Amino acid sequence: QSVLRQPPSVSGAPGQGVTISCTGSSSNIGAGSAVHWYQHFPGTAPKVLIYGNSHRPSGVPDRFSASKSGTSASLAISGLQAEDEADYYCQSYDRSLGCWLFGGGTKLTVL
Amino acid sequence: EVLLLESGGGLVQPGRSLRLSCAGSGFAFNRYWIHWVRLVPGKGLLWVSRINSDGTIATYADSVKGRFTISRDNARDTVYLDMNSLRAEDTAVYYCARPVNPSGYDDDFFEFWGQGTLVTVSS
Repeated sequence: QSVLRQPPSVSGAPGQGVTISCTGSSSNIGAGSAVHWYQHFPGTAPKVLIYGNSHRPSGVPDRFSASKSGTSASLAISGLQAEDEADYYCQSYDRSLGCWLFGGGTKLTVL
Repeated sequence: EVLLLESGGGLVQPGRSLRLSCAGSGFAFNRYWIHWVRLVPGKGLLWVSRINSDGTIATYADSVKGRFTISRDNARDTVYLDMNSLRAEDTAVYYCARPVNPSGYDDDFFEFWGQGTLVTVSS
């Protein structure tokens, strides 16, 4: 079981929006550690989607946004497209464990 | 272009050993910390280990501590992961990843990843 908890799956119709949550604790997200989000298509390298809680790298559409509050973070995807169907992972650093954590991953299905 | 290329994966019996390699190019390899992250079927991404730029500091996840050893050869722009006493639960795709900053901040994200190498531990 991952220390960062994500829903196993979310789904939405094309054009709709979805939100993926990432729940941590007082030793990681709640301690001020940054949260990053990755998009992963099976068989490929993960790609950073959001870094530093809410920043988008160049080339990432503004349909993707993220926020952080307390011990949790969330990734919002608006205007769903078929190409968004992938696995999404949050990541942060745990200051008590001294290691980098990933959430268990959320599989997004575009209906 | 920054590239990371893993190699060395394969099928191995429980209890045996395997060495993975991660070759970097397109950046000043000797300035960056390098991490290993694995994708475990049904469990997602799990951080495994990291090594600092000159190879003097290594950190491990509890699940591999004492069994895995990370090292690097900057003359060859390569990081290694020596995996001993392998278990079925070590079965995964192993990625090497480079953080965005050279100086190894804890809050760094993994900017570049390799394509991964599959390790299957089974009798």
